[in-house]
Amino acid sequence: QLQLQESGPGLVKPSETLSLTCNVSGGSITSSSDHWGWIRQSPGKGLEWIGDMYYSGSTDLKPSLKSRVTISVDTSKNQFSLKLTSVTAADTAVYYCVRHDLVGDWFDPWGQGTLVTVSS
Amino acid sequence: QSVLTQPPSVSGAPGQRVTISCTGTSSNIGANFDVHWFQQLPGTAPKLLIYNNNNRPSGVPDRFSGSKSGTSASLAITGLQAEDEADYYCQSYDSSLSAYVFGTGTKVTVL
Repeated sequence: QLQLQESGPGLVKPSETLSLTCNVSGGSITSSSDHWGWIRQSPGKGLEWIGDMYYSGSTDLKPSLKSRVTISVDTSKNQFSLKLTSVTAADTAVYYCVRHDLVGDWFDPWGQGTLVTVSS
Repeated sequence: QSVLTQPPSVSGAPGQRVTISCTGTSSNIGANFDVHWFQQLPGTAPKLLIYNNNNRPSGVPDRFSGSKSGTSASLAITGLQAEDEADYYCQSYDSSLSAYVFGTGTKVTVL
């Protein structure tokens, strides 16, 4: 059974870089039918898709966040990562890593989520 | 800011039927992009409930059903149960935003 687990700092200072890692277990990150992505949830903006990546390295990022987002993969560790630069309080949210099924275009499963607070 | 609009809350007594609407535009639901639904129980991550408008993943009770027409979609819960108290979100793709988008979310309360 495929499972995803986020990890990373829960507190990031304004203007710094948010970095999270998602560990994938019960399946391979090199699956040809899957993208791997990040979604965040904040009280003010609800659920927001951040972006996806394919294990080859190609990415699909939300245009309004594209300039600040990097999603990368480490196939040797079956992990993928998110970096969000120049964070502000508006980036405070629960961050979820997800599998994005390319055939059906849905997000499933989701990791349990990790709260990241941007504050000095 | 969500581009798919849902009612903030719906409620019903046990055993009743409730429906949740998801209203989009011609650049998302109306552009024939599929709609998916997620259930988020308190303190947990969203879970896929309905995919491709009206399909249930394995393990999802047949009390849950989805439909889509024009620029809107709906989720119906029949035979409402206490365990159905949760937040529900629709999701689709928006071609003008070039992004996957979610609904504003609906809280279901079982009276």
